[in-house]
Amino acid sequence: NAGVMQNPRHLVRRRGQEARLRCSPMKGHSHVYWYRQLPEEGLKFMVYLQKENIIDESGMPKERFSAEFPKEGPSILRIQQVVRGDSAAYFCASSPPTEEGTQYFGPGTRLLVL
Amino acid sequence: RKEVEQDPGPFNVPEGATVAFNCTYSNSASQSFFWYRQDCRKEPKLLMSVYSSGNEDGRFTAQLNRASQYISLLIRDSKLSDSATYLCVVLTGGTSYGKLTFGQGTILTVHP
Repeated sequence: NAGVMQNPRHLVRRRGQEARLRCSPMKGHSHVYWYRQLPEEGLKFMVYLQKENIIDESGMPKERFSAEFPKEGPSILRIQQVVRGDSAAYFCASSPPTEEGTQYFGPGTRLLVL
Repeated sequence: RKEVEQDPGPFNVPEGATVAFNCTYSNSASQSFFWYRQDCRKEPKLLMSVYSSGNEDGRFTAQLNRASQYISLLIRDSKLSDSATYLCVVLTGGTSYGKLTFGQGTILTVHP
């Protein structure tokens, strides 16, 4: 049973470009969560999604960031017009229905904005 | 005040030592509590859930005091492989159910 998969593992973008981060949850998991870890800081919640629904986006920056979890395919975290401050590790987690506390994390995508 | 606060550490202990980490949380509506560990540049991994009655998993013991909003983790007979950052994590209910709030983490280094 494959774990949570994220790609790419490393992503380099220049300021102003777009970054797309993908997350495939574990088999049987319908809930996906995105967290961001800035250098030398703890993990911060960004967004909680179920298939085709955003449940809680209270941690998402108001501009440039969006997330989706379509009926088919992986969850996507999209960052438009990236800035240097977006450089961070972005972790995706998934959980089974009704077990939101039991979240399994993917290996993360490390975004570097030049 | 941070939602989840931990001993900043770092802790440097010899193999075989017993070490304890503390954590407090501010939201009394928090429903579930966990300790995760994170190795350098890796994803966090669930170490154990924390229950009001206290629970033990091998060399690890976790305690929760809801009245004081305090969580602890005790590691006995430390191994070199225990070196990592330990994260105190809280799950809050309500509309944000599913949102894990992480402490800053406590760095543990176990040396020979």
